[in-house]
Amino acid sequence: QKEVEQNSGPLSVPEGAIASLNCTYSDRGSQSFFWYRQYSGKSPELIMSIYSNGDKEDGRFTAQLNKASQYVSLLIRDSQPSDSATYLCAVNMERNTGFQKLVFGTGTRLLVSP
Amino acid sequence: DAGVTQSPTHLIKTRGQQVTLRCSPKSGHDTVSWYQQALGQGPQFIFQYYEEEERQRGNFPDRFSGHQFPNYSSELNVNALLLGDSALYLCASSGRVTEAFFGQGTRLTVV
Repeated sequence: QKEVEQNSGPLSVPEGAIASLNCTYSDRGSQSFFWYRQYSGKSPELIMSIYSNGDKEDGRFTAQLNKASQYVSLLIRDSQPSDSATYLCAVNMERNTGFQKLVFGTGTRLLVSP
Repeated sequence: DAGVTQSPTHLIKTRGQQVTLRCSPKSGHDTVSWYQQALGQGPQFIFQYYEEEERQRGNFPDRFSGHQFPNYSSELNVNALLLGDSALYLCASSGRVTEAFFGQGTRLTVV
């Protein structure tokens, strides 16, 4: 079993729709979770972090965490063509140290059509 | 405030050669981590430097080595390059209890 799993996609949504991206992880003790956006040929850009169960909203983005189910998701409301990118889920394997040792999924490619 | 900067942006090397990649962390960050991202894959953790010491290492051979300088900048060295080392090499900087931010990466091509 991979440590962090994502559907590779592509996930295709029309402009203005809600895009839902999902991620599962294997280490039940993981404490911090991140979503990075990566445009083709570019480096990952942090868009959301989440540490507690429930929802965290930032503009059009909502991250959801369910530690019991070992599940993290990212919702993008009012999707725009500029949101077309690969979205990487990352889990910090460090616990209680303040350091970041990230394990990434393979990423989900999102395509938003005008 | 300058973010994480890496150099060079692109590099072409021949099998068997050695390469050095450089990274300057974001202002206020003291920890540098290096990741390798092969095409179509997520980044994989190579190692992490803090206080000029390697504090964590991923599943990479000893051909991969690094260094951190007193100003927190870092180098990644790869010896005896293989074709399979062709990838995007990413540097991430972080402070204690802060998220990790990536540089623009170095695209290494081994021919």
